Amino acid sequence: DIQMTQSPSSLSASVGDRVTITCQASQDISNYLNWYQQKPGKAPKLLIYDASNLETGVPSRFSGSGSGTDFTFTISSLQPEDIATYYCQQYDNRPGVFTFGPGTKVDIK
Amino acid sequence: QLQLQESGPGLVKPSETLSLTCTVSGGSISSSSYYWGWIRQPPGKGLEWIGSIYYSGSTYYNPSLKSRVTISVDTSKNQFSLKLSSVTAADTAVYYCARLNMVRGVIIYWGQGTLVTVSS
Repeated sequence: DIQMTQSPSSLSASVGDRVTITCQASQDISNYLNWYQQKPGKAPKLLIYDASNLETGVPSRFSGSGSGTDFTFTISSLQPEDIATYYCQQYDNRPGVFTFGPGTKVDIK
Repeated sequence: QLQLQESGPGLVKPSETLSLTCTVSGGSISSSSYYWGWIRQPPGKGLEWIGSIYYSGSTYYNPSLKSRVTISVDTSKNQFSLKLSSVTAADTAVYYCARLNMVRGVIIYWGQGTLVTVSS
């Protein structure tokens, strides 16, 4: 089974800073990688799909890149409302199988 | 607008079976492009996919939970259900039901989540 790792596990940054999170898969997953944002007490929200595509309605300061085993999620200019935990999620050719990364908690410094 | 709602006991005793149901409204559980899944989140921890089911009854389970998990579907009621047996305190979590898009590999629709505590 494919395992996902994320780093860092948490970070603190100032408003306006560029924030980068990485996600690594234990084997090649092509671009089958999505990113979610979860705020306390809420269900996760899809931000990026297929590694680099911005979901409709999501601000353009969010972006993603990568393929194969190494992926990056970026917030170009951190805003107070971006305080949340971010998860990567992979899917494979078994259509109902989803695997989440351990998450990265983002705080304001 | 599609809505999912979890229901079931909020407190389960150790060694017993946790049972939850997800009721889907605003859409059919028999849609061909979707699996229906359960995801849980222990307090202060990350998301864990438990398993998924297609309306035909085809299932996938997380290998780490497979021996204890059963997911079933009732298309006549537009519901799917989770049973997790032999629970321990480690199974205490918020349990979400969700619609898994097979084509896109994403989850757009989630239930609000329900906290299940395992305690005597």
